[in-house]
Amino acid sequence: DQQVKQNSPSLSVQEGRISILNCDYTNSMFDYFLWYKKYPAEGPTFLISISSIKDKNEDGRFTVFLNKSAKHLSLHIVPSQPGDSAVYFCAPRVYNQGGKLIFGQGTELSVKP
Amino acid sequence: DSGVTQTPKHLITATGQRVTLRCSPRSGDLSVYWYQQSLDQGLQFLIQYYNGEERAKGNILERFSAQQFPDLHSELNLSSLELGDSALYFCASSGGIGGSGNTIYFGEGSWLTVV
Repeated sequence: DQQVKQNSPSLSVQEGRISILNCDYTNSMFDYFLWYKKYPAEGPTFLISISSIKDKNEDGRFTVFLNKSAKHLSLHIVPSQPGDSAVYFCAPRVYNQGGKLIFGQGTELSVKP
Repeated sequence: DSGVTQTPKHLITATGQRVTLRCSPRSGDLSVYWYQQSLDQGLQFLIQYYNGEERAKGNILERFSAQQFPDLHSELNLSSLELGDSALYFCASSGGIGGSGNTIYFGEGSWLTVV
């Protein structure tokens, strides 16, 4: 069963515009939601996280929104830059199971100059 | 650079063989995690150790085992290898049990190819 779904395998955005990456989950036993960025043949790089008791967290160009009632979160990147082109993973952390993360399938973001 | 070091970066071995992947966590981090990324399964949690003790377990096969040593480095042992074990194996680390500042840092991964 897929507890975490990133329904868009890919997204293409013009440089300077907003990128919105979405993630849906079914499990209510997540206490933190992390976003990672990954380039081919490299390890995931941590971007930003949000606690399950918050609805928004912002860090520079990156903002994550959490809608608990809809079990949905989104990552906004504004303005998008060509260097943001990568695969983005939503990775909720399972409550009370150490640091176990459940990764979504990823969304490949392409930012065109 | 995340500060998590994995060796070897690439490994090719035959079916039925056994390999050991090694991970050095970031300085001061007590938790080590192992993840497997395969084409069909995506990134899957295997196991976590905290200060030498097993803390959480995922879908780790019985043919696989891991340990964390007193100096906090960790090894993932994969035995009786099958073609389907070919994957990218990531090690990650964090300061506390669940992540220092809720952040878990990943290494560059070890590419395992079973032929």
